[in-house]
This record gives sequence, structure tokens and C-alpha cells, in this order.
Amino acid sequence: GAGVSQSPSNKVTEKGKDVELRCDPISGHTALYWYRQRLGQGLEFLIYFQGNSAPDKSGLPSDRFSAERTGESVSTLTIQRTQQEDSAVYLCASSPEPNEKLFFGSGTQLSVL
Amino acid sequence: KQEVTQIPAALSVPEGENLVLNCSFTDSAIYNLQWFRQDPGKGLTSLLLIQSSQREQTSGRLNASLDKSSGRSTLYIAASQPGDSATYLCAVETSYGKLTFGQGTILTVHP
Repeated sequence: GAGVSQSPSNKVTEKGKDVELRCDPISGHTALYWYRQRLGQGLEFLIYFQGNSAPDKSGLPSDRFSAERTGESVSTLTIQRTQQEDSAVYLCASSPEPNEKLFFGSGTQLSVL
Repeated sequence: KQEVTQIPAALSVPEGENLVLNCSFTDSAIYNLQWFRQDPGKGLTSLLLIQSSQREQTSGRLNASLDKSSGRSTLYIAASQPGDSATYLCAVETSYGKLTFGQGTILTVHP
């Protein structure tokens, strides 16, 4: 596609429910990134994929968070047993290779009630 | 732990002014530094990327410099326009894939 696509754009869920957030990177981009931006705060690194492998998972806040990437393309970020502090905008980005410009999607606004 | 600081936090200028945004980082062991702009309700747009071996990059009215040894970067915007109004973010890549972002500078350019 022309850009990084994320779905859904907005998600409202109840505390304790699981959610899945999807990212479609730019075709051919080998690197894919997930970041989180809480209201009024800076961007927080979550996880990075090179191909289908995640060399750096250090940013995942807890074991309730997991992510996978398949076919060196689509990535899914899953949050289990959501908590109110998980409310944030979840941003996905891709780049042709590491150490190159990142292209961001518009994000998924997650609200946990 | 890498920390990135941006000054000022907010800036309001009249159209046509030249302006400078500042970014500092604590660990000089970086691969690159990127400047982004963020518009409300939208994702981030990468403006300029400076590799660790480079000193500056230019794109149109934008010029970014990097002094890795002192942990500083500046983004210079020439002849500012109302369309430049946005939040500008600085980020350093300290290991492949892991960017550390500053809190941003909110820029308002008024006609």
C-alpha cells in the first residue's frame, strides 16, 4: 500500500478484555516497530521486528503484551486482560531497513473503560 | 539510559520568522537522529534523518545539524509558515529499531 495502515483506528474495550491491534507496513519494508503514546506523554518503544523476528522485545510493559509478525508483512499487537493504564495511542511504523527513516501509521486509539 | 530533551517545550512565532528547535541527548553512542513532525490526529512524519557520521541534513526550508560528541542537534526552519504549525519530535536510535523520543516542541506559526 501507499503507507502504513493500522486498524482499528479507535477501540473501546472493557477492563479485562483482550484486544488485537493490526499493522500493515509499507510493502517491502523489512523493519517494523510498535510504539505507545499515552496522553500528554512522549512515545514509548514497545517492540521491533526485523523480518518476522523480534530482536528487541525490551519495551513490552508486561507479559500481558505480545506481538507477532508473519510473512514479513502484517503485525499484530495483542494485549490480554486490558487495564485502564493501557489506554493510549498505539503507533506502528516501518522502514526499508533498520537505521533508515521510519514511516508511521495514524495509530490506534485504545480506550479501556 | 538514553534521555532526550527538547527545548523549548512550546514556541509561538509570527509568519516569516526563522526559528531554531533544540534537542539534546545523554548517550552519544547513537546510530542516527531523526526529526519528526506530528499533526493532531495523525501519525508522525519523518522530516530528516542524520546518520551518526554526518553533521547535517537539509530538506527545503529545513536544516538539521548533529554534534554527536556534545549530544546536541538543532532543527532550523527558515521563513516559517502557518502550515509549519505542529509538534516537532527529536529521536535517537541507540540500537537497531529502538528510538528514544523527546517530549517535543509545540510550534505555532501565526499569520
